[in-house]
Parts: sequence; C-alpha cells; structure tokens
Amino acid sequence: DAGVTQSPTHLIKTRGQQVTLRCSPISGHKSVSWYQQVLGQGPQFIFQYYEKEERGRGNFPDRFSARQFPNYSSELNVNALLLGDSALYLCASSPRPIDSYSYEQYFGPGTRLTVT
Amino acid sequence: GENVEQHPSTLSVQEGDSAVIKCTYSDSASNYFPWYKQELGKRPQLIIDIRSNVGEKKDQRIAVTLNKTAKHFSLHITETQPEDSAVYFCAANTGRGTALIFGKGTTLSVSS
Repeated sequence: DAGVTQSPTHLIKTRGQQVTLRCSPISGHKSVSWYQQVLGQGPQFIFQYYEKEERGRGNFPDRFSARQFPNYSSELNVNALLLGDSALYLCASSPRPIDSYSYEQYFGPGTRLTVT
Repeated sequence: GENVEQHPSTLSVQEGDSAVIKCTYSDSASNYFPWYKQELGKRPQLIIDIRSNVGEKKDQRIAVTLNKTAKHFSLHITETQPEDSAVYFCAANTGRGTALIFGKGTTLSVSS
C-alpha cells in the first residue's frame, strides 16, 4: 500500500528562479495539503486542495501557488525564489477535506529545497 | 492569529520513565488535535489524535488528554524506550477547519 510520494527529493536553486514540487496522495485520498518546514520548526500550512479546488491558504506571499489534478496529485510552484524559501516542503494527504470529521493527514517524505 | 504553544522544547528521560509534553491552543473553535513524531531526516508520522468530544485516548504506551475549557492537551508516553527518541509535534486544526497549526516541537531523548 503506497504512501504519499513526493518528487524531487532534493533540489538546489538560485535566487530568483522558479521551482515546481510534485505530490501524489495515498490511493483513495482526495485532499492534499502543502506545508513548509524550516529547520528546527514545526510545519507551517501553505495550501489545501480538495477535488481540484483550493480550500485553504496560509500566510504565504503570492509567489506561492498550487494546483490539484483530476487524479488528485498536486503541484506546488514557487516563483522568484528567496534565500528564506530554503526548507523542507511537505505534502500531506487525507481522505476528505479537513473541514469534515475525518481529519487525519499523512505526510510524504518531503522535498528539501536549498536556495543559494 | 491562531497559535499552538508546546512545552518543553527538550526533554531527557531514562529508559522506562514516563514523558509528558504539553500544548495549549488559542482557537476555541479547534476540535481536532493530532500528535506527530518526526525522526531525523524523516517525515512526520501521525502517532495519535483526539477529537473534542473525547477527554482521553490511549494506544498502548501512548495517551493523549484534552481539556477544552483550559485549551490544553498533553501527550503521555509511558515506559519510554530509546526508539521513542525523536521530535514530537502537537497540532490543532483551525476554526475554519482548513489547516493544522503546529507547535514548535519537543526533542525527546531517551537514554538507556
């Protein structure tokens, strides 16, 4: 039974560049959320998608965007990268949106982004 | 804004002792409180969760308690083992229900 998968595992980018991160949820899960985890901190919510619609957005600038595809996989895009965007980007899937009763979120292994 | 505070930031115990991690949350509409364990270089793993209609939940050596009036919830690990060593995060859903707000984590070290 495959868990949440993310690609790539690691990424090194230069300031000002753009990056796309990918996530495939657990089979049967329709909701995907993205989190940013800076070293030594807890994950910070960026977006939640359910059935291809954005259901929530955290306190991140418009340089961050995301989308969900018909197969429930998702992409996170970050434009005009800053040094402060260096972090572990985590994707979490859940069976239903988090505003339903079943909230369990299961995390993928993350993408480690380094901006130089 | 919504906030989750977690204490202590580090906790060292001897094998076999109990460990307690405490969290407080600010959003009175929060009704879901999960706990995650994250080992170095790995993904956060859901270890236990509790909903607001329950005051306590237990799973083998792990238990979580919730006091909605005081907006407190706690993780209790009994008979700790070296493999329990990790960073533990508490979280609460936002009142709008669309996100988990995480605490800053507790680094638990269990020495044998």
